[in-house]
Amino acid sequence: EDKVVQSPLSLVVHEGDTVTLNCSYEVTNFRSLLWYKQEKKAPTFLFMLTSSGIEKKSGRLSSILDKKELFSILNITATQTGDSAVYLCAVEQYGQGNLIFGKGTKLSVKP
Amino acid sequence: SQTIHQWPATLVQPVGSPLSLECTVEGTSNPNLYWYRQAAGRGLQLLFYSVGIGQISSEVPQNLSASRPQDRQFILSSKKLLLSDSGFYLCAWNLQGPDTQYFGPGTRLTVL
Repeated sequence: EDKVVQSPLSLVVHEGDTVTLNCSYEVTNFRSLLWYKQEKKAPTFLFMLTSSGIEKKSGRLSSILDKKELFSILNITATQTGDSAVYLCAVEQYGQGNLIFGKGTKLSVKP
Repeated sequence: SQTIHQWPATLVQPVGSPLSLECTVEGTSNPNLYWYRQAAGRGLQLLFYSVGIGQISSEVPQNLSASRPQDRQFILSSKKLLLSDSGFYLCAWNLQGPDTQYFGPGTRLTVL
């Protein structure tokens, strides 16, 4: 059965801390792995990863994929209260192009 | 435990034909329900959301409509499909926004 597992499920840190969110997967016909940030109604897209070992970076956020070990990490450095959100990981499959979501990591950043 | 179902998993329809996609949630009451379309392997576009029976909010005006005839049932419809309606449609639920949304398995729609 295809699955995406995120850890931890929730995390509380203080401003300025660095956090690492994990996403592991067992999915057939892997095409890409996507990270989303969900604050309000709809998740917003962060990164799409297709190749192993190539870091994608956007400001204080970065992500990398390991297709051999079947996982990805999302790093957030110098966290701010505005980073508080649920972070979703999803794997896209070839063929049907289905998206399989993890259950998310709820990050709370305290001032 | 709660589960979310979408039906059908895959659909191929001719242009101009009607559409009905169904989403049902089990194991919870009075959920918030959402319809999304995934665009080109990147972003999720929120189409509709509902906080209760008969209450539908449209985020993007287009060729689609949504209805919630029962507490745990959410339907996405169209009277006449366009080629641009092709895509991957996801239904999601949660109990209170902005809490984590739980996504269904999705429906791949191809309009020819």
